[in-house]
Amino acid sequence: DAKTTQPPSMDCAEGRAANLPCNHSTISGNEYVYWYRQIHSQGPQYIIHGLKNNETNEMASLIITEDRKSSTLILPHATLRDTAVYYCIVRVNYGGSQGNLIFGKGTKLSVKP
Amino acid sequence: GAGVSQSPRYKVAKRGQDVALRCDPISGHVSLFWYQQALGQGPEFLTYFQNEAQLDKSGLPSDRFFAERPEGSVSTLKIQRTQQEDSAVYLCASRGFGTGELFFGEGSRLTVL
Repeated sequence: DAKTTQPPSMDCAEGRAANLPCNHSTISGNEYVYWYRQIHSQGPQYIIHGLKNNETNEMASLIITEDRKSSTLILPHATLRDTAVYYCIVRVNYGGSQGNLIFGKGTKLSVKP
Repeated sequence: GAGVSQSPRYKVAKRGQDVALRCDPISGHVSLFWYQQALGQGPEFLTYFQNEAQLDKSGLPSDRFFAERPEGSVSTLKIQRTQQEDSAVYLCASRGFGTGELFFGEGSRLTVL
């Protein structure tokens, strides 16, 4: 699986948009970009994923650059409950243990009042 | 239950003791993964099951670690002769057929004294 690079930490003011960047310059054509987050003392939680088009769901938006070498996760109105470690992961979508997620250290997002 | 259930949530063991950690995946989920998460790190892959078959155990750190899923549902991760370096959170995740998203349990925190 391709390696991703994320900043180790970010701060965001409550109510503002949080924009979390991720670089994945060696991504392959069949690899998707996945985002998970892990709130303290909980298991990772799926947020969103995409291949090449921008995606939006009730939790967040995912913006993938045209060359697919980087992406940004956007939390439009961050709340204190969004404080967590956010992981950007690239992998093929299905298939045995190839569906395994390889986690890096992620970005620790701190939402401040 | 609707989610992945793990037990116990917390386990303290004396060095040299054997421990067993249980994972109850989402009903009907074919794929099951075990991860180990050390303090301050992202989860690291241990092993993968498709139904009752253990298809990948490349992440198990030593032969003291053993996992099984005899009926293709509940899985148990067993650690024999625990060592202090085994102290970590052990996460279980399951995935349904034809989807890419992994659903994680809250983890079992093992402390070896």
